[in-house]
Amino acid sequence: GAGVSQSPRYKVAKRGQDVALRCDPISGHVSLFWYQQALGQGPEFLTYFQNEAQLDKSGLPSDRFFAERPEGSVSTLKIQRTQQEDSAVYLCASSLAPGHGYTFGSGTRLTVV
Amino acid sequence: SQQGEEDPQALSIQEGENATMNCSYKTSINNLQWYRQNSGRGLVHLILIRSNEREKHSGRLRVTLDTSKKSSSLLITASRAADTASYFCATDANSGYSTLTFGKGTMLLVSP
Repeated sequence: GAGVSQSPRYKVAKRGQDVALRCDPISGHVSLFWYQQALGQGPEFLTYFQNEAQLDKSGLPSDRFFAERPEGSVSTLKIQRTQQEDSAVYLCASSLAPGHGYTFGSGTRLTVV
Repeated sequence: SQQGEEDPQALSIQEGENATMNCSYKTSINNLQWYRQNSGRGLVHLILIRSNEREKHSGRLRVTLDTSKKSSSLLITASRAADTASYFCATDANSGYSTLTFGKGTMLLVSP
């Protein structure tokens, strides 16, 4: 597609609920990143995929967070047993290759109540 | 953790004036990038400057990079109300994956 698409745009989850956030990167983009952005802060790195391989997951805040990109295209970020501190905007970005600028999606705003 | 620190945190100017934002970082980098974010939207890539470059231009944007001081500046000339947004610098610390580390951003308000 023309850009990076994320869905849903907004998600309200009850504490303890599991959520799945989807990212459709630009076709042909090898690199895919997930970032978490709290209110008033800059994005914080969560995880990185090169094609289907998850090469870096050092930013995932806990083992409740899990990401996958099984066919090297669409990626899903799953958060289990959501907590209030998980409330944030989750941004997905793709890049043609390392060393190029990112294209970001509009993000998913997650609110845990 | 956030490597870049933007300065100022907020900037309010009139249309037609120039806006300058600064960014400092801590580790050596492969490149530095500037992004814009409108409220409630994703980030838009503005410009990338490599570690061996000192200055780069793109339209009304001018970016400088001083690797000895570990700092960068973004200048927006002849600002417009549509430039109102948050601006972030992001560093690629040559991890091999081009993972970007973002600062907290500068919120720019351009009044008509």
